[in-house]
Amino acid sequence: NAGVMQNPRHLVRRRGQEARLRCSPMKGHSHVYWYRQLPEEGLKFMVYLQKENIIDESGMPKERFSAEFPKEGPSILRIQQVVRGDSAAYFCASSPRQGASGDTEAFFGQGTRLTVV
Amino acid sequence: SQQGEEDPQALSIQEGENATMNCSYKTSINNLQWYRQNSGRGLVHLILIRSNEREKHSGRLRVTLDTSKKSSSLLITASRAADTASYFCATSGNKLVFGAGTILRVKS
Repeated sequence: NAGVMQNPRHLVRRRGQEARLRCSPMKGHSHVYWYRQLPEEGLKFMVYLQKENIIDESGMPKERFSAEFPKEGPSILRIQQVVRGDSAAYFCASSPRQGASGDTEAFFGQGTRLTVV
Repeated sequence: SQQGEEDPQALSIQEGENATMNCSYKTSINNLQWYRQNSGRGLVHLILIRSNEREKHSGRLRVTLDTSKKSSSLLITASRAADTASYFCATSGNKLVFGAGTILRVKS
C-alpha cells in the first residue's frame, strides 16, 4: 500500500505563472488535507476535502488559491499568478475518515517545495 | 488561530539524555497527536492520546495529557542521534491543527 504521493517534489515558477500541486491519497482514504509550511515554522492548515467536496477551506487565501478532489484522480492545489511569498513547502495528508478524530491519524506525503523566482 | 504551541522552540541534548517537549492548546479537543519531521521530509505520526487518557507509552516515547491545563508533554528517553528532528503536536477537531514545533538536536 503506497503512502501519500505528492508530485512534483520540487517546483520552480516565475512570478505570475500558475502552480499545480498534486496529491494522491493512500488507498481507501477519501479525506485529504493540504498544509503549508514556511522554513522553521509549523504547518498551517489550508483546506480539507472529501471526494468532490470542499469541507473546510478556512485556511485558504481567498484569491489565487483553489483546491479540488475529483471523483477520479488526485487532489489538486492550484495557485494562480504566483508571487514570491507563495514559496513554501506544501504538504498533503490523507485519512480514512473525517477530521483525523478518534483513533484516526493522518498520513503525510513528502511535500512539494515551491520556489517562486 | 493556531491551537498547539510547543516549547521549547529548540532543544539540544547529549545522546543518552532524556528530551522533554511541551505543548499547550486553547480549545477543547478530541485527541492530541505528536508528529516528527526530519529535515526536508514529510511528517510521521508518533503517538495519539485521547482526551480521556492521561498518559500513553510507545517504545521510548511517553506522552502525557492534562486537559485541565490544556497541555501535553512528549518525553523521549535515552535519546539517540537519529532522534534529531522537529516535533509537532497537533490537536484534532475536524482537522489537525499544528503548533510551530520543537527542534530537537541530539549530539553524539
